[in-house]
Amino acid sequence: GQSLEQPSEVTAVEGAIVQINCTYQTSGFYGLSWYQQHDGGAPTFLSYNALDGLEETGRFSSFLSRSDSYGYLLLQELQMKDSASYFCAALNQAGTALIFGKGTTLSVSS
Amino acid sequence: DTAVSQTPKYLVTQMGNDKSIKCEQNLGHDTMYWYKQDSKKFLKIMFSYNNKELIINETVPNRFSPKSPDKAHLNLHINSLELGDSAVYFCASSPGDSGETQYFGPGTRLLVL
Repeated sequence: GQSLEQPSEVTAVEGAIVQINCTYQTSGFYGLSWYQQHDGGAPTFLSYNALDGLEETGRFSSFLSRSDSYGYLLLQELQMKDSASYFCAALNQAGTALIFGKGTTLSVSS
Repeated sequence: DTAVSQTPKYLVTQMGNDKSIKCEQNLGHDTMYWYKQDSKKFLKIMFSYNNKELIINETVPNRFSPKSPDKAHLNLHINSLELGDSAVYFCASSPGDSGETQYFGPGTRLLVL
């Protein structure tokens, strides 16, 4: 089976940096994706790491370590609009569907 | 233009009824999916279709049946609705070789009374 574990909640203040960790156990592993979901909205794709290392996209970066079965999403210069749920996800063994973690709710305060 | 659209956005119905949710994508993607998100925000894959072929069918009740008339559409039909079916249902699509990058529709909020 496959499972992805991430913290349920994280809080931070505007302008700060926050890291959301994700550890995974998978039968087969292709890479790690991250999705953002605002309350009442749809999940939107943020990033994907197929290889070890850091991928940077603006204020958001994502990291993967295959040897540690671990990844994280790094959000810098936090803004109120970053308050949302963040999901890590990985393809199932057949590579046909995403398995999601239970999500981390990020609350950014002023 | 909306990339992935779903109708209806809200659906309130009685137990035992049959209902359908429609999904359309105009991205030219090869694969479409249905997810269920429960009240705890847990997203779980239900079905996916690749070029009109069902390629995954998770352990969902057979009251749920996906129907794909063509590559751009994947509808979800639910028979004999139960209280536990209340959830948000998301349709998504992805390019053929990039299942990691999925584009989600706005969701259908189903409430069974």
